[in-house]
Amino acid sequence: AQSVTQLDSQVPVFEEAPVELRCNYSSSVSVYLFWYVQYPNQGLQLLLKYLSGSTLVESINGFEAEFNKSQTSFHLRKPSVHISDTAEYFCAVSDRNNAGNMLTFGGGTRLMVKP
Amino acid sequence: DTGVSQDPRHKITKRGQNVTFRCDPISEHNRLYWYRQTLGQGPEFLTYFQNEAQLEKSRLLSDRFSAERPKGSFSTLEIQRTEQGDSAMYLCASSLTRMESQYFGPGTRLTVT
Repeated sequence: AQSVTQLDSQVPVFEEAPVELRCNYSSSVSVYLFWYVQYPNQGLQLLLKYLSGSTLVESINGFEAEFNKSQTSFHLRKPSVHISDTAEYFCAVSDRNNAGNMLTFGGGTRLMVKP
Repeated sequence: DTGVSQDPRHKITKRGQNVTFRCDPISEHNRLYWYRQTLGQGPEFLTYFQNEAQLEKSRLLSDRFSAERPKGSFSTLEIQRTEQGDSAMYLCASSLTRMESQYFGPGTRLTVT
């Protein structure tokens, strides 16, 4: 079984400032890692994912996340946030060896970007 | 293709009534997933289908919950004898294969009064 902990339920930040949203996971098996974003009144959208290879993965809108196996973390970062980044962010894992590939989510972090 | 769609978007029902939600996945996606999201929490996996076969249903919350995908296309999630604790957002997702990303629908918000 897996579990995901997102250490911050809310992160307020000023526009153009850097941000880090923290995600730690616990698993007895190898996992795939994901970040999803939920904008107000919209469905979940995949932001980025780590399946294998380079431990640093990037999204098209400037976010990046680094898989750290020793610390069992997958923190999300952006060097300069915009007002439009205001949303709820969910970290998720799935068991590499499970054919179902169901996702286990963290509790979410609400990013609030202020002007 | 407009993505995963769910119907209805909102449902208000009285305790004890049965409700059914529908999910239409992205066409040609053979995997379909149901999740539940309660306020302030992340989504929680319920069940999934590969084509018409329901391959995992042990996470369904009780025997009041059931899901079908009769022709391997759309799926329905039914909750019998609803309780106030069933109030939540019910999310559907689909993917082309196990390795492909899951695409989520907008959800059905259930309120049990």
